[in-house]
Amino acid sequence: EPEVTQTPSHQVTQMGQEVILRCVPISNHLYFYWYRQILGQKVEFLVSFYNNEISEKSEIFDDQFSVERPDGSNFTLKIRSTKLEDSAMYFCASGDRGNQPQHFGDGTRLSIL
Amino acid sequence: GESVGLHLPTLSVQEGDNSIINCAYSNSASDYFIWYKQESGKGPQFIIDIRSNMDKRQGQRVTVLLNKTVKHLSLQIAATQPGDSAVYFCAENGGWGTDKLIFGTGTRLQVFP
Repeated sequence: EPEVTQTPSHQVTQMGQEVILRCVPISNHLYFYWYRQILGQKVEFLVSFYNNEISEKSEIFDDQFSVERPDGSNFTLKIRSTKLEDSAMYFCASGDRGNQPQHFGDGTRLSIL
Repeated sequence: GESVGLHLPTLSVQEGDNSIINCAYSNSASDYFIWYKQESGKGPQFIIDIRSNMDKRQGQRVTVLLNKTVKHLSLQIAATQPGDSAVYFCAENGGWGTDKLIFGTGTRLQVFP
């Protein structure tokens, strides 16, 4: 069964450094998403992406965050200058249409020191 | 201030019994709902979804019920198995024109032999 894959599984970064989280969505999907889950808290929406542009973003997704689909298979989330509070599990998801099941990867655990 | 982790409600059931997991959603404009299962160290796994023009939908061993009057969603799992042990999240889309998912707090299901 096709699945969303995310790399790395764990990323440790010094505060203030840039980090790029990578995702390979399911191949025929057109809608892409990033969510995050701070330890012990709810899963929170960050951003949705369709047709090579952001379609929606949350208040969390400020100027420090950006997303890109650099080629036909990857979808990345960049945090320019990481803060301690960026420590969380980051999940990528994809779907073949809007308001259809979003399929999640197993996440990247981001630890900011 | 310091973030406080969520205390997940826990449902404990015996193997073979039926489980019912409940969820109160927040937005009366939401028209798409979805249940996910999350095992430790993994991403949310799609179980079943339902649109607001339905009040019941069945899958394999699972049934979702939607009561829009009281903004309530439930997930029924028939003949619960040890492999069903996980945290279960409901999510809603927040209304027409958006496909971001708004997650609930989750319920931990523990299945005993």
